Amino acid sequence: SAVISQKPSRDICQRGTSLTIQCQVDSQVTMMFWYRQQPGQSLTLIATANQGSEATYESGFVIDKFPISRPNLTFSTLTVSNMSPEDSSIYLCSVVKGGQETQYFGPGTRLLVL
Amino acid sequence: GQQLNQSPQSMFIQEGEDVSMNCTSSSIFNTWLWYKQEPGEGPVLLIALYKAGELTSNGRLTAQFGITRKDSFLNISASIPSDVGIYFCAGAFSGGGADGLTFGKGTHLIIQP
Repeated sequence: SAVISQKPSRDICQRGTSLTIQCQVDSQVTMMFWYRQQPGQSLTLIATANQGSEATYESGFVIDKFPISRPNLTFSTLTVSNMSPEDSSIYLCSVVKGGQETQYFGPGTRLLVL
Repeated sequence: GQQLNQSPQSMFIQEGEDVSMNCTSSSIFNTWLWYKQEPGEGPVLLIALYKAGELTSNGRLTAQFGITRKDSFLNISASIPSDVGIYFCAGAFSGGGADGLTFGKGTHLIIQP
């Protein structure tokens, strides 16, 4: 498995502002993903964070709203831009390590937009 | 997009009872995963299934990858209070974890003492 940390663990933000969420893994991983979990809902994949290149976004998610960086094999950031109350969710990163086929999740970042 | 139908949506059971939940898909998956999520935490992997027909156990938990590749079930035997949480099934199309996961809507397990 992998030890995954996310910062911040939670935040309360004003609409119109942006928040950058960090995901740090204790070892190199092959794949990193970002998910959103709206209140009382399941997880929805936002994008695959690609090391050294642009992220691959799922339908309904765009780079201007959710810019993602992955500068190396252990770190990624997700920015939630120009936030509105509808962006209030838990944002989770997950990782896949080479040779394995399972995803491990971070603890999540709980975002409330007022 | 792909749909995963997970049932039941919630379960209210007595401590000691067995639990069964399942997921069905409109499409074939190559990997089925079962996670448990507790309040304030991220999902924790319980069981991973990689082959059609595979039956895998993890303590009191048993899960199977359906032969059609379109379904999976999770059983919990002799439930205990710490089993409370939300259980999610998830499917992946590729091997090697190259794709993101498609999640079911979750089964809320509530145990009455």
